[in-house]
Amino acid sequence: GAVVSQHPSWVICKSGTSVKIECRSLDFQATTMFWYRQFPKQSLMLMATSNEGSKATYEQGVEKDKFLINHASLTLSTLTVTSAHPEDSSFYICSARFPPAGNTIYFGEGSWLTVV
Amino acid sequence: QQPVQSPQAVILREGEDAVINCSSSKALYSVHWYRQKHGEAPVFLMILLKGGEQKGHEKISASFNEKKQQSSLYLTASQLSYSGTYFCGTDDSGGSNYKLTFGKGTLLTVNP
Repeated sequence: GAVVSQHPSWVICKSGTSVKIECRSLDFQATTMFWYRQFPKQSLMLMATSNEGSKATYEQGVEKDKFLINHASLTLSTLTVTSAHPEDSSFYICSARFPPAGNTIYFGEGSWLTVV
Repeated sequence: QQPVQSPQAVILREGEDAVINCSSSKALYSVHWYRQKHGEAPVFLMILLKGGEQKGHEKISASFNEKKQQSSLYLTASQLSYSGTYFCGTDDSGGSNYKLTFGKGTLLTVNP
């Protein structure tokens, strides 16, 4: 299947600072990427849909100014958590849409964010 | 609209079979199945497209009944490696607003 790479795998940051997570499609061009958030033992909650060259579409209840998404190229989308707080600590996972396989969505490895 | 998965959890002995169900209140264009192991990202298993098909992947197969807006994942002769949380993701948009909404997951434990 298609390969999606996410970096960093884990990050610890101080409360009030910002942290950036990168998501890359390694062997295909991803016009659409998705960012999910997952708390322990819970489901995958879609935060936003990232389309290359346009503004991201955020799900209801997700703060646009807090979770900045940029999809500047066909292989890279970034999520920046601004002014992070302990309640932002979570597992963030990106995924990319792969049209040649019936729009299968492949996930990156995920990033563990801990805000202290 | 979040799909409903059942059961929430199931415990098997190695070699036993299991069925995991996923249902939606909305018309579906596709259903996607993933397995997630603790601390890792979900891994794609299979996709079922509108048209009422059944697919197989080694000893794991799935069906999709679009009229009933339901899908089922079948695990036969389970192996220890099948342990994990299984999620179904559904697409009810069909195109311009394509995205997957995931169920709450089914925790599968396979014991020796």
